[in-house]
Amino acid sequence: GAVVSQHPSWVICKSGTSVKIECRSLDFQATTMFWYRQFPKQSLMLMATSNEGSKATYEQGVEKDKFLINHASLTLSTLTVTSAHPEDSSFYICSARIQGGYGYTFGSGTRLTVV
Amino acid sequence: EDQVTQSPEALRLQEGESSSLNCSYTVSGLRGLFWYRQDPGKGPEFLFTLYSAGEEKEKERLKATLTKKESFLHITAPKPEDSATYLCAVSLNTGNQFYFGTGTSLTVIP
Repeated sequence: GAVVSQHPSWVICKSGTSVKIECRSLDFQATTMFWYRQFPKQSLMLMATSNEGSKATYEQGVEKDKFLINHASLTLSTLTVTSAHPEDSSFYICSARIQGGYGYTFGSGTRLTVV
Repeated sequence: EDQVTQSPEALRLQEGESSSLNCSYTVSGLRGLFWYRQDPGKGPEFLFTLYSAGEEKEKERLKATLTKKESFLHITAPKPEDSATYLCAVSLNTGNQFYFGTGTSLTVIP
């Protein structure tokens, strides 16, 4: 149980285009989801906290207008990288808190390459 | 300032050579400490949760322990398939956030 499905697993896009990444909780409802970014050989850095039905909370230094987060339902959160540039190339991972506990389950990640 | 530090950054072991990974934390109000395994190009995979000092959890060749300042992930007689990056993270009594350590990249040589 407590599976988070993330799609796509990898995407290549041209500079200036937008890319949407989806994160779904398959067998539980997630009122809160988290979006992380991970550079090669580095740890996960929290970008934003996504709250169902309300605005996301962004970490310091993360551009709200570039990384649009939508959490329209209890099972789906999306991250849209707008006007992507090569420096946005990274590994993006979502997670959700497991109901009834203090643990978190993670999606399989999305490798974004902007060319 | 809340901080989570892992050491060593990288570790190479011969198959069967036991060792330990360290996760030191300085946080106000620890709710739980978590260990994850991450394979290249994949999301973190949950291993253990520890909530209080003195607690221990075991799974196959892995054993996690917790004190008031640090956690150890002991790996006994590792196999090549144990090669991965091991991440620790802490959650606090306030809020929903997770703070990750920088990870230890483990390589087990046959």
